[in-house]
Amino acid sequence: QQQVKQSPQSLIVQKGGISIINCAYENTAFDYFPWYQQFPGKGPALLIAIRPDVSEKKEGRFTISFNKSAKQFSLHIMDSQPGDSATYFCAPLWGNTGKLIFGQGTTLQVKP
Amino acid sequence: NAGVTQTPKFRVLKTGQSMTLLCAQDMNHEYMYWYRQDPGMGLRLIHYSVGEGTTAKGEVPDGYNVSRLKKQNFLLGLESAAPSQTSVYFCASSYGGGYTQYFGPGTRLTVL
Repeated sequence: QQQVKQSPQSLIVQKGGISIINCAYENTAFDYFPWYQQFPGKGPALLIAIRPDVSEKKEGRFTISFNKSAKQFSLHIMDSQPGDSATYFCAPLWGNTGKLIFGQGTTLQVKP
Repeated sequence: NAGVTQTPKFRVLKTGQSMTLLCAQDMNHEYMYWYRQDPGMGLRLIHYSVGEGTTAKGEVPDGYNVSRLKKQNFLLGLESAAPSQTSVYFCASSYGGGYTQYFGPGTRLTVL
């Protein structure tokens, strides 16, 4: 069984701070490493993704850091804002049929 | 474009009753997916389809059936509902088998 372990389960950050969410995986056959964002009452939406041959990808305030040897990748949210308050999922892609293996989720609260 | 829509938004069933959840997408996507989301467990893949007329089992298929008679629709059926099927169900679609999936707003199902 493919396992993806996400931490922490919940996170509280002050406005302007840095939010860091981690994901550890076992399957070395994952093809891409995306993060999804979900607001209450909504479906998840793709936030950012990284290929396994790249160590870092930045899009605006969001950065993925990827450590292939440690089989870990993390999401960094710089200058966190109250509007970033949501649940975040790592969801590595396995195979060519779009199978996303979701982590358990991290609920982020950014306090004003 | 409406994107991915799900019907109904809420439903309460009694144990043993049956029902069908409807997912529709207007993006001409080949791939469609059904997930369930439970607290602390992320999203788990129930069934998926890589094209009209095809279906395949995901991680947690027991107790569910699916059909993809039209490219734009993907139906999820529960033949005999059980309390363990109380969950939020999400449908998603993608153009190919990549990491970018577009999710619907979800259906909250309660089985008493």
